[in-house]
Amino acid sequence: QKEVEQNSGPLSVPEGAIASLNCTYSDRGSQSFFWYRQYSGKSPELIMSIYSNGDKEDGRFTAQLNKASQYVSLLIRDSQPSDSATYLCAVKNNQGGKLIFGQGTELSVKP
Amino acid sequence: DGGITQSPKYLFRKEGQNVTLSCEQNLNHDAMYWYRQDPGQGLRLIYYSQIVNDFQKGDIAEGYSVSREKKESFPLTVTSAQKNPTAFYLCASSKQVMNTEAFFGQGTRLTVV
Repeated sequence: QKEVEQNSGPLSVPEGAIASLNCTYSDRGSQSFFWYRQYSGKSPELIMSIYSNGDKEDGRFTAQLNKASQYVSLLIRDSQPSDSATYLCAVKNNQGGKLIFGQGTELSVKP
Repeated sequence: DGGITQSPKYLFRKEGQNVTLSCEQNLNHDAMYWYRQDPGQGLRLIYYSQIVNDFQKGDIAEGYSVSREKKESFPLTVTSAQKNPTAFYLCASSKQVMNTEAFFGQGTRLTVV
């Protein structure tokens, strides 16, 4: 079982729709959860972090965390073609210090 | 400007050679990480360090070595023992307190010729 799992996609949504990206993790000691966006050939950039159960909203982005189910998700509202990228889920166990990434989900937003 | 600097951006290595990738940060971060990314894949952890003079192996440490003699610097050496070194290498750093984000350098693309 992979430590962090994501659907590899590609996920295709029309412009203006909601894109839903999902991630599960295996380490119950994980305490910090992140979503990064990576454009082709570039390094990842942080778009959301979440540390407690529930929802966290930032502009068009909402991160959702359910520690009991070991599940974290990212919703992108009013998707734009510029949102087309690979989205990486990352999980950290603060005690051990390891920051582990999933394999990424490729998102394509069609005009 | 504060940030994480990786150099060089592109690196070519002959088979059998060791090469060292540089990662420097001026963010006063304690923790630093090295990842490898292959085409169409996620990031795989090579080594990480939480404090100076200490580091731990990640999931794919074989064929790689690191040092952490200074807080600002975490160089990665790709040795000749690494059989498939062609990849995109990413360095990241973060504060070593609970619930803090990691930020990345621009990456080094290594190609074996």
